[in-house]
Amino acid sequence: GESVGLHLPTLSVQEGDNSIINCAYSNSASDYFIWYKQESGKGPQFIIDIRSNMDKRQGQRVTVLLNKTVKHLSLQIAATQPGDSAVYFCAETLYGQNFVFGPGTRLSVLP
Amino acid sequence: GAVVSQHPSWVICKSGTSVKIECRSLDFQATTMFWYRQFPKQSLMLMATSNEGSKATYEQGVEKDKFLINHASLTLSTLTVTSAHPEDSSFYICSARDIDRISYNEQFFGPGTRLTVL
Repeated sequence: GESVGLHLPTLSVQEGDNSIINCAYSNSASDYFIWYKQESGKGPQFIIDIRSNMDKRQGQRVTVLLNKTVKHLSLQIAATQPGDSAVYFCAETLYGQNFVFGPGTRLSVLP
Repeated sequence: GAVVSQHPSWVICKSGTSVKIECRSLDFQATTMFWYRQFPKQSLMLMATSNEGSKATYEQGVEKDKFLINHASLTLSTLTVTSAHPEDSSFYICSARDIDRISYNEQFFGPGTRLTVL
C-alpha cells in the first residue's frame, strides 16, 4: 500500500464534547473492521470492532458505525476526555487475512 | 489477557549491522504473527505474516533476505533486519492472533520497537 502524506488529519475537540472520527475503507468485500488507538511511541490498542453484517456497535463511550454502501466507517467518542488524545486508525480485513490500516487521524482534546 | 511483548523497545545500531527484534505472546499461543513497519506520522504497513513452523509470507516490495522472520514456537516470532541502513530506521510493531480465538479476527499488538540506524 501507499502511505498517504506526511501529515495526519487532526481533529480538535473540547473536553466533554463528542468526537467523530471518519474512515473510508477500500475493499467492498472486507468483512471485519476495527478501530485502534495509538499513543505516541506505543503499539496500537484495540478499541472496538464490527462485522460487515452489522451497521452499528456500541461500547463504553464509543460507537462504531458502518456504511457499506459508501464504504465508510466512523468512530464516535462520547464525552471526550484528555486521555482520549491519540492517533486513531481504522483497519479492514477479509477472512482475517491482511489487515489494511487507514492513514490515521490525530485527536487533540482541548481543555 | 492477550498480552504481546517486544524486545528491545528501542535499539540504536551502526549502519551495516544486523538487529534482531523479538515478539512474544505472553499469555496465549499464536499460530500467526504479523510484522508491521510505521514511519513517523504514517500508518502501519504490513511487512509480513509469520506462521509457526512455516515460512513467512512477505508483502510486495518487502525484501525477505533483508528482513528475516522466524516463528519457531507458538509464542515467539523474531524479525532480523540484516545489514541495516539509515532508511531502515522506523517503528516496528508485531501483532499476534490467539489460537484459541481462531474464530475471531482480532489481533493483539505489541508495544513496538524503535530502530535507529546511524
